[in-house]
Amino acid sequence: RKEVEQDPGPFNVPEGATVAFNCTYSNSASQSFFWYRQDCRKEPKLLMSVYSSGNEDGRFTAQLNRASQYISLLIRDSKLSDSATYLCVVNKPSGTYKYIFGTGTRLKVLA
Amino acid sequence: NAGVTQTPKFQVLKTGQSMTLQCAQDMNHNSMYWYRQDPGMGLRLIYYSASEGTTDKGEVPNGYNVSRLNKREFSLRLESAAPSQTSVYFCASSTLQGTDTQYFGPGTRLTVL
Repeated sequence: RKEVEQDPGPFNVPEGATVAFNCTYSNSASQSFFWYRQDCRKEPKLLMSVYSSGNEDGRFTAQLNRASQYISLLIRDSKLSDSATYLCVVNKPSGTYKYIFGTGTRLKVLA
Repeated sequence: NAGVTQTPKFQVLKTGQSMTLQCAQDMNHNSMYWYRQDPGMGLRLIYYSASEGTTDKGEVPNGYNVSRLNKREFSLRLESAAPSQTSVYFCASSTLQGTDTQYFGPGTRLTVL
């Protein structure tokens, strides 16, 4: 099992739609969780951190489910500009490296 | 505010050639990282530096060396490039290792022929 798993997509949705992505992680000791956005051929940029109580930033909502070991990202009222790849990132509390990146979920918002 | 800068942006090498990728950050971050990104693989950590004066291997360190020149700069060296090192290389920095937001540079697209 991969340490961090994401559905690669693509998720093709019309403008205005609501779309949700999940990301599962294998290390129950992980403490920090993030969603990054990566545009084609660009660097990843932080979209939002994911807190235990869940958090919202405008049209974006992130949730953490520790019992089932997954995090989710909900995008409401999708815009064309939301088209990108969304990377799930989880910290690795022990071992030789500290962050594990998922392979990303690709979102295409269609006009 | 420059953030994290990387040079060069593009590079083509022949097998066996060497080169150094440069990275600098102006955010006074303690930790710096080098990743490679390949299609379908996600970002994989090559080396990291938790703080000035320390470096540690990541997931895929073979064929690479690093130098944490000072708090701002962290370079990645390919001593003898191989086609398997064709990839996009990203440098990143963060205040704290493993728990804090990482900020990425624009990347270096390397092709080894």
